[in-house]
Amino acid sequence: SQQGEEDPQALSIQEGENATMNCSYKTSINNLQWYRQNSGRGLVHLILIRSNEREKHSGRLRVTLDTSKKSSSLLITASRAADTASYFCATDLSFSGNTPLVFGKGTRLSVIA
Amino acid sequence: GAGVSQSPSNKVTEKGKDVELRCDPISGHTALYWYRQSLGQGLEFLIYFQGNSAPDKSGLPSDRFSAERTGGSVSTLTIQRTQQEDSAVYLCASSLQPGVSYEQYFGPGTRLTVT
Repeated sequence: SQQGEEDPQALSIQEGENATMNCSYKTSINNLQWYRQNSGRGLVHLILIRSNEREKHSGRLRVTLDTSKKSSSLLITASRAADTASYFCATDLSFSGNTPLVFGKGTRLSVIA
Repeated sequence: GAGVSQSPSNKVTEKGKDVELRCDPISGHTALYWYRQSLGQGLEFLIYFQGNSAPDKSGLPSDRFSAERTGGSVSTLTIQRTQQEDSAVYLCASSLQPGVSYEQYFGPGTRLTVT
């Protein structure tokens, strides 16, 4: 079964608005990562948040992690048309930390200029 | 090269033929992953390598799929007797070590079309 699931499946916003995507997972994790994918090709790593962290920033990106709710959110502030892409969260399957990442189905973000 | 490379970038094959997909990871990365992504879907984990061994083959969809990695570097994913449902983008990624603490670097993918 899917470890991480993103919500919403698709999101359309105007340029300049903020975009929030959520990820829920089922089991305890070590860390959680967010990736971005353009045009169905290779993914690009955005940010990693550790299980003992609650919030992390990188440029216009803000990621939060709530381990009690088993959820994470990715906020993109002041969105641009170039932010149009699919965004995936990735977690591991066990607490050992030595397992492959499991990706959700992603949120397709469209930023309209 | 600086990143993960995959070849071919596109492959069209007839149903029933065998195909080989190649992945060249970043030098020094011990972990290598294969994923499959169907149109508009998420990533489906296939197999990962730590060095030349594959601790987890659980994602391979059938015995028509196999993969190997030699010299701790290049990996080949082989699909025998291809079926139309094998059509997808096959993505390869590598990381310094396996596990969620390490960022995965992805190649551009191979788009496989089985006619």
